[in-house]
Amino acid sequence: DAGVTQSPTHLIKTRGQQVTLRCSPISGHKSVSWYQQVLGQGPQFIFQYYEKEERGRGNFPDRFSARQFPNYSSELNVNALLLGDSALYLCASSLEWKGETQYFGPGTRLLVL
Amino acid sequence: EDQVTQSPEALRLQEGESSSLNCSYTVSGLRGLFWYRQDPGKGPEFLFTLYSAGEEKEKERLKATLTKKESFLHITAPKPEDSATYLCAVQANDYKLSFGAGTTVTVRA
Repeated sequence: DAGVTQSPTHLIKTRGQQVTLRCSPISGHKSVSWYQQVLGQGPQFIFQYYEKEERGRGNFPDRFSARQFPNYSSELNVNALLLGDSALYLCASSLEWKGETQYFGPGTRLLVL
Repeated sequence: EDQVTQSPEALRLQEGESSSLNCSYTVSGLRGLFWYRQDPGKGPEFLFTLYSAGEEKEKERLKATLTKKESFLHITAPKPEDSATYLCAVQANDYKLSFGAGTTVTVRA
């Protein structure tokens, strides 16, 4: 069975640009979460979506936004990119949103120059 | 605010040399504690979920235990392929996952 997939795998942007990252969950999973992982640190929670509704938001500025589609795939958008947004962006899926084990995708490596 | 602290930051082991990793946490209502393994440049790979104090889970050379304040990941007779960063995460009443910074384990043949 296919796991969580993310695209693109790598991305290079310049400051001030906008970026869209995509995620497809494991088949049958209805919840998708997004995390940012800076080198040397653990993942930091950004958003969780379930059945197209936002169920949780971490301490990130409004430049970060996300949405979930009827097929449960998801997009993460980041506007007005800063150098500090350079990180590995991880998507995780789970069956439901309460207390379920989250399974991670391979991530998208974003470099902001 | 939920806090997760992992120690040590790095661990260098000889093949066959057993050791333990620590994850201490403060959380407002623990829903679950999760262990993941992460290889360089890849996403975290799920290992275990623990829900209550006293619970233990095993998988090959790995064993995870949970108390009311901390969790341990024991690595028995490690092999070079066990080299990775091991991440601990807690899920509180808001169902968000809060991760520690991880312990990087290097096993030399």
